[in-house]
Amino acid sequence: ETGVTQSPTHLIKTRGQQVTLRCSSQSGHNTVSWYQQALGQGPQFIFQYYREEENGRGNFPPRFSGLQFPNYSSELNVNALELDDSALYLCASSLHQGRAGELFFGEGSRLTVL
Amino acid sequence: GDSVTQMEGPVTLSEEAFLTINCTYTATGYPSLFWYVQYPGEGLQLLLKATKADDKGSNKGFEATYRKETTSFHLEKGSVQVSDSAVYFCALSPANFGNEKLTFGTGTRLTIIP
Repeated sequence: ETGVTQSPTHLIKTRGQQVTLRCSSQSGHNTVSWYQQALGQGPQFIFQYYREEENGRGNFPPRFSGLQFPNYSSELNVNALELDDSALYLCASSLHQGRAGELFFGEGSRLTVL
Repeated sequence: GDSVTQMEGPVTLSEEAFLTINCTYTATGYPSLFWYVQYPGEGLQLLLKATKADDKGSNKGFEATYRKETTSFHLEKGSVQVSDSAVYFCALSPANFGNEKLTFGTGTRLTIIP
């Protein structure tokens, strides 16, 4: 069974640039959620994708966007990067309407914005 | 909105000591409650959960009881081991949403010394 994998693991961008982060779901999972974890904080829900459509969004501006592909993999795109976007971005996969709260997380992509 | 408040860390204990990490929550309705753990170099993983009042979740010697009257879900373990050193996150899933949106606490770093 393949777990959740994310890429890249680390990256550095400058303010105003755009970034794309990628996630491969655990085998058999059809839902992907993205979380932002600032240093010393708990993860914050960005959005969730199911059947290639956004299916719930947290308190993040529209410059945070995503995609889900037919193979259930996903991308997180962030435009016009700001210094406060520096964080660990976590992808989690699950089964839609499966066991409550049972998310399988990747190790994350650490983004530094200078 | 929903929120989770966790005991401030870091926490350092000797091996075989008793562990309690406090967690309280604010939410409408009847949320599901979770403890996730992040071991060094690994992704977040579900430790235990409880989906209704008075339920007790347990796993790997850890326990937590869903107390609606005190809106709490404290994590306990009778005898900790060095391998329990990790960051522990309390989280909730709202009653009116799918199971993929989690609200996390800020995390408690636990270090066990031999």
